[in-house]
Amino acid sequence: QVRLVQSGAEMKKPGASVKVSCKASGYTFTNYDIHWVRQATGQGLEWMGWMNPGSGNTGYAQKFPARVTMTRNTSISTAYLEVSSLTSEDTAVYYCARAVGANDFWGQGTLVTVSS
Amino acid sequence: EIVMTQSPATLSVSPGERATLSCRASQSVSINLAWYQQKPGQAPRFLIYGASTRATGIPARFSGSGSGTEFTLTISSLQSEDFAVYHCQQYNNWPYTFGQGTKLEIK
Repeated sequence: QVRLVQSGAEMKKPGASVKVSCKASGYTFTNYDIHWVRQATGQGLEWMGWMNPGSGNTGYAQKFPARVTMTRNTSISTAYLEVSSLTSEDTAVYYCARAVGANDFWGQGTLVTVSS
Repeated sequence: EIVMTQSPATLSVSPGERATLSCRASQSVSINLAWYQQKPGQAPRFLIYGASTRATGIPARFSGSGSGTEFTLTISSLQSEDFAVYHCQQYNNWPYTFGQGTKLEIK
């Protein structure tokens, strides 16, 4: 069965960077884009961008491009999201999701807390 | 970017009754509209794509309709497990965008 398993919760100080991983199983990793979506506490879902694991091509929402990097390691079917120059406004749960147009399978989420 | 607006923000419905949730796009998204259900502490669950096609394993009491800018999610005969937050998402144009969500609560 399709599964996306994300890395554990992180606590970071303002100005630091965080890297979240998303390990895929149950399907051919390079055949589907991976999207990243975040959700601040009590807020809606915010789409951050996409990555094609086959080519490594990426696209980011205009709000994020300078601070967000999406990468992958195809040998271990894992996608990564790195966010730099963290502020308190980046405190959120970060999700990876497989894309078939819409997002059919989601990781369990990774809580990133930014606090001094 | 396309702005997705969901209404109402909160909907109170009794179990066994029908719930109708709305989603409006600021410009046409054709039928490239998805719905997700989210319960507290959980990831979103994929319900509907192509505005009206149920995802695998989704009960028939969930139905979607609409095209262009106006969309509806209908849940007939609400079950206890249906009370959750529902999100719509357009995937017609980058950046893909979500509505702010509708909380479906027990009346």
